[in-house]
Amino acid sequence: AQSVTQLGSHVSVSEGALVLLRCNYSSSVPPYLFWYVQYPNQGLQLLLKYTSAATLVKGINGFEAEFKKSETSFHLTKPSAHMSDAAEYFCAVRKAGGGNKLTFGTGTQLKVEL
Amino acid sequence: GAGVSQSPRYKVAKRGQDVALRCDPISGHVSLFWYQQALGQGPEFLTYFQNEAQLDKSGLPSDRFFAERPEGSVSTLKIQRTQQEDSAVYLCASSLRDFPYEQYFGPGTRLTVT
Repeated sequence: AQSVTQLGSHVSVSEGALVLLRCNYSSSVPPYLFWYVQYPNQGLQLLLKYTSAATLVKGINGFEAEFKKSETSFHLTKPSAHMSDAAEYFCAVRKAGGGNKLTFGTGTQLKVEL
Repeated sequence: GAGVSQSPRYKVAKRGQDVALRCDPISGHVSLFWYQQALGQGPEFLTYFQNEAQLDKSGLPSDRFFAERPEGSVSTLKIQRTQQEDSAVYLCASSLRDFPYEQYFGPGTRLTVT
């Protein structure tokens, strides 16, 4: 079954520091991968998605992710954290070749400190 | 424009009661999804509609869960004889068409079963 694993349920960074949120997928074929952000009491918002085009994907709010097949990873990065980035981040996978449901990881809570 | 809306935002039910959760998708969106998000977990797929047709209900945890979208727009998720393990946030998402169109999420309904 398609799944994603997010390493680190909580990540804390200083404002201005690099943000790195980890996501590894398990799949026999390259899947479609997504990163979503969830602010308190709000729905999920799509940050970026990988659909087998460019391996480096740029998203909103300065975030980007790189698809690495050799490492089965799709880590999310941002060069400089801002206080407004504090939220929960979810990696998700959609099975290639059919089906529309998303399978989500357990999430990483990002805290940004002054 | 208006996003996906869900009502009620919060629902408290006594164990054994029936509940109905409503989702108003973005106007014109063909696809509609329901997800369940337990505390501290990522969303888990429940069911998927394309217009009024329920094409995938593989994620519904038991026959106490029932979803409908009779006119291809508003959807209702009904849970009969609620149990404590049903306590979760229920998220609705809609997309214009099937993948690769983005799923837009509503704010969710937080269900607490006492």
